[in-house]
Amino acid sequence: EAQVTQNPRYLITVTGKKLTVTCSQNMNHEYMSWYRQDPGLGLRQIYYSMNVEVTDKGDVPEGYKVSRKEKRNFPLILESPSPNQTSLYFCASSSAGPRYYGYTFGSGTRLTVV
Amino acid sequence: SQQGEEDPQALSIQEGENATMNCSYKTSINNLQWYRQNSGRGLVHLILIRSNEREKHSGRLRVTLDTSKKSSSLLITASRAADTASYFCATANQAGTALIFGKGTTLSVSS
Repeated sequence: EAQVTQNPRYLITVTGKKLTVTCSQNMNHEYMSWYRQDPGLGLRQIYYSMNVEVTDKGDVPEGYKVSRKEKRNFPLILESPSPNQTSLYFCASSSAGPRYYGYTFGSGTRLTVV
Repeated sequence: SQQGEEDPQALSIQEGENATMNCSYKTSINNLQWYRQNSGRGLVHLILIRSNEREKHSGRLRVTLDTSKKSSSLLITASRAADTASYFCATANQAGTALIFGKGTTLSVSS
């Protein structure tokens, strides 16, 4: 089944404790992206990757890192999480980018930073 | 950098009725996409309509696009309780590096 798999589904952590949210897709998509969704603010892009070893900032990249060493994986790293990073996070992939194609989304990771 | 804006924000209907949601956007587009999100879950791609198309159907979904008015509508016919969800329109940013989503329409279908 074609899918984007995110882990974990839920995560509660403490301020400053480094964490990684994993994202993997099995569709051989070149493009991958991370979004966060917050009430009243909607979905905002954090980072995106057009291909292996090619990543760039989205609208809200502060406090996040990403890497794209393999085509299928695009982990989101929070090196020192803070409470304002409490949010619902989504990974998405697309065959050649959103200009012409839709996204396939993961199921989401609900992160709480206390 | 919000591009799409859905209207209404919330819609409550009975099973069997039709639901219409509207989306307005600001800049020129290659296509416009509609997504559904069940509470707290990932968004699901419903339909993509290209800028040279005026209408597209998929099952009980009908999407129209009016590029002169920079607007689109999503019609769900014969709604079911399972259609209860939030619906978002999305268009690509100018660089083609991101989809920009509206705030969504929350649809509630009661039986």
